[in-house]
Amino acid sequence: DAEITQSPRHKITETGRQVTLACHQTWNHNNMFWYRQDLGHGLRLIHYSYGVQDTNKGEVSDGYSVSRSNTEDLPLTLESAASSQTSVYFCASRRDRGNTEAFFGQGTRLTVV
Amino acid sequence: GQQVMQIPQYQHVQEGEDFTTYCNSSTTLSNIQWYKQRPGGHPVFLIQLVKSGEVKKQKRLTFQFGEAKKNSSLHITATQTTDVGTYFCAVNNDYKLSFGAGTTVTVRA
Repeated sequence: DAEITQSPRHKITETGRQVTLACHQTWNHNNMFWYRQDLGHGLRLIHYSYGVQDTNKGEVSDGYSVSRSNTEDLPLTLESAASSQTSVYFCASRRDRGNTEAFFGQGTRLTVV
Repeated sequence: GQQVMQIPQYQHVQEGEDFTTYCNSSTTLSNIQWYKQRPGGHPVFLIQLVKSGEVKKQKRLTFQFGEAKKNSSLHITATQTTDVGTYFCAVNNDYKLSFGAGTTVTVRA
């Protein structure tokens, strides 16, 4: 069955380190998203991509970057981790830009100490 | 920022009672989606509404899209412990998928 997987599921890192969270989907979806979830804020969009070589900033993109070198993967990089980036991160994908449902990964819990 | 406001943020419900959560936008929406996230889990798609005044039902859940396509509601009847979780509405914003802050539901047995 097609799926979307995130790794690692849990990560503890130190302030200032570069961290990359992986997201891999096997649906061949063009659209992929990264969200962070914090209490009281719901799901906030970090970056998104509509296809290979396309990346766009979301509402909370500062300190994060993504790359899309193939259809299946959208890795999220924290350039220099900060304590404010402690959060649960979700990757999602959907078939196209419009009226289609999004499928979410299991999430990565990141703690920056 | 988020395009939609969800209320209430928290809903404590006695088992067997009904409740409603609302999603409001200041702009006309092309469509709206609803997701459910169980505690410790990830959001899972429930339904999409597209037409003005549309009403869709899934067992005890009733979803409604307003006539002006600026608001939506989710009504759950006879709440059960399996309804525990956070319910999000989501809208397409320049083809991005933006989520409301969610309504977190707890159930008293």
